[in-house]
Amino acid sequence: ETGVTQSPTHLIKTRGQQVTLRCSSQSGHNTVSWYQQALGQGPQFIFQYYREEENGRGNFPPRFSGLQFPNYSSELNVNALELDDSALYLCASSLLATQETQYFGPGTRLLVL
Amino acid sequence: AQSVTQLDSHVSVSEGTPVLLRCNYSSSYSPSLFWYVQHPNKGLQLLLKYTSAATLVKGINGFEAEFKKSETSFHLTKPSAHMSDAAEYFCVVSEPGAGNNRKLIWGLGTSLAVNP
Repeated sequence: ETGVTQSPTHLIKTRGQQVTLRCSSQSGHNTVSWYQQALGQGPQFIFQYYREEENGRGNFPPRFSGLQFPNYSSELNVNALELDDSALYLCASSLLATQETQYFGPGTRLLVL
Repeated sequence: AQSVTQLDSHVSVSEGTPVLLRCNYSSSYSPSLFWYVQHPNKGLQLLLKYTSAATLVKGINGFEAEFKKSETSFHLTKPSAHMSDAAEYFCVVSEPGAGNNRKLIWGLGTSLAVNP
């Protein structure tokens, strides 16, 4: 176990709805990265938060947004859900933004109907 | 830009036989390379990492990988497969991202099946 937790574990939404996913980073880690993993694919980088600021973003539209809180926990928000947003969403924490080793949570599986 | 190619999408071995999962990378830097494992319905677990120290890297659960610069490879091996090794394996390369972060570039994964 890495100490990174995510909630909820599973979620079902319908097209057009909004969703918020949550992540608690490992103790002492100030950097959180979010990934989307579609079925049968590798994880795709969404964005990273370092000390409450966005610190890099992948090729995802603005309806994917995030927050990091003073305790370094994080949220991923997705607006106007589309069917293709169905995926496993993974959160990873690291000690520093420059540190390459990331520790992953178990993920939230989102199904959009 | 860096990239990573996992040469086999699926590998099947018998329990007790060696495992070889192949990975090639392209990089204009001295790369950092990782192998992660993902068991069904579980998160990703770091198996091992290479960061320009010893070229033969030992990881958890008896896995190891050898960095070969001349071949731009970082293949994952294990002498004897166990049933519990059945999982999805990802080869990952790290590159500088925007700002001061490091971005992980993931391969598409290799599904390892272990037969009794």
